[in-house]
Amino acid sequence: QITLKESGPTLVKPTQILTLTCSFSGFSLSTAGEGVGWIRQPPGKGLEWLGIIYWDDDKRYSPSLSRRLSITKDTSINQVVLTLTNVDPVDTATYFCAHRGSSGSYAFDIWGQGTMVTVSS
Amino acid sequence: EIVLAQSPGILSLSPGERATLSCRASQTVDSRYLAWYQQRPGQAPRLLIFGASSRTTGVADRFTGSGSGTDFTLTISRLEPEDFAVYYCHHYGSSPQTFGQGTKVEVK
Repeated sequence: QITLKESGPTLVKPTQILTLTCSFSGFSLSTAGEGVGWIRQPPGKGLEWLGIIYWDDDKRYSPSLSRRLSITKDTSINQVVLTLTNVDPVDTATYFCAHRGSSGSYAFDIWGQGTMVTVSS
Repeated sequence: EIVLAQSPGILSLSPGERATLSCRASQTVDSRYLAWYQQRPGQAPRLLIFGASSRTTGVADRFTGSGSGTDFTLTISRLEPEDFAVYYCHHYGSSPQTFGQGTKVEVK
């Protein structure tokens, strides 16, 4: 059974760095085909794809965030870390991590519960 | 970047009615990489359909995905009370991946 859970600060000040951790179980990010993505959702709005990291350490980012966003993994402890620099109030959102299906699906088949982050001074 | 436009923004229907949701892409999407998600209030999205027409395990057969090229459709044959939610399409065949803006299916 695959599960994911996001953790990190609920409040961040403008210009600071946001670091979120996705802790997962039920799969290994060192297994070929696996991937973990990050998606966010501002309050009352739709879903925004942020980026994804694959088993081979290939990473892809949203062009609008690529200069501020970094995604890394630690396969030994089953975690993926999202780092967003120079945050702004527009970065206020619920942040989700999600498992990329690896057996034919390749869509985000399992999601974490999400973590709400507010950017405010 | 592929832009996905969903219509209508809001669909007001009664339980038992048929819902037809549209997702139109700004350029051709490989249908192997088009998904639909359901999101209920306060919950994470749930994958319903991948590969444009394949239902995820456990998804009721009243949900049907179809389409190809730039036009995709999610059909809910007979709305159940738990189906009133927001639905998103998602293209994941190339980077950047993108989501549609969502269609809210509400009780009429």
